[in-house]
Amino acid sequence: DVKVTQSSRYLVKRTGEKVFLECVQDMDHENMFWYRQDPGLGLRLIYFSYDVKMKEKGDIPEGYSVSREKKERFSLILESASTNQTSMYLCASSLYDSSGVNEQFFGPGTRLTVL
Amino acid sequence: KQEVTQIPAALSVPEGENLVLNCSFTDSAIYNLQWFRQDPGKGLTSLLLIQSSQREQTSGRLNASLDKSSGRSTLYIAASQPGDSATYLCAVSGANSKLTFGKGITLSVRP
Repeated sequence: DVKVTQSSRYLVKRTGEKVFLECVQDMDHENMFWYRQDPGLGLRLIYFSYDVKMKEKGDIPEGYSVSREKKERFSLILESASTNQTSMYLCASSLYDSSGVNEQFFGPGTRLTVL
Repeated sequence: KQEVTQIPAALSVPEGENLVLNCSFTDSAIYNLQWFRQDPGKGLTSLLLIQSSQREQTSGRLNASLDKSSGRSTLYIAASQPGDSATYLCAVSGANSKLTFGKGITLSVRP
């Protein structure tokens, strides 16, 4: 079974802190994604990565950065946390498949609260 | 820009009922469509993936269909159970593997 793990289930941080959210997948997937999920807004893509050291902005990248130094690990960084970044953060991964399968598998999520 | 709609936002049914969850999308140029289940406070679990060349996929009591030309998909749940209570999301994938999600349908199955 594909397994995607996230470093924390719950996290509480203060405004202005630098926050690291870690995601690890064990299936040698090329693609990795970070989403946030908010009531009424659904899931929105923050950043994604097609390969090591490659990254592309999603729909809402402002206030975030990412790092992918190893294929299995994709980190989301909040440079200076703000209260409007309180949310559920979800990581996902998928195999690169030119035929279009690309099934995404999700981690359990990190509930981040910024005070 | 692709938009995915799921209506209604919430649904309550008695146990044992067969039910259909609907999903519509605006751009038919998709690579695949995926249905997910999400329990409160948890991540997403992939239920079914339908490639653009396929018409339907089945897994146990679940059957998903895809009509790409009309921009519609349905998730059929047979003989619903209280354990099926969750939020069901559909998402479509373009050529770059990015998913666009609907906002989900929260299903409650009453015993």
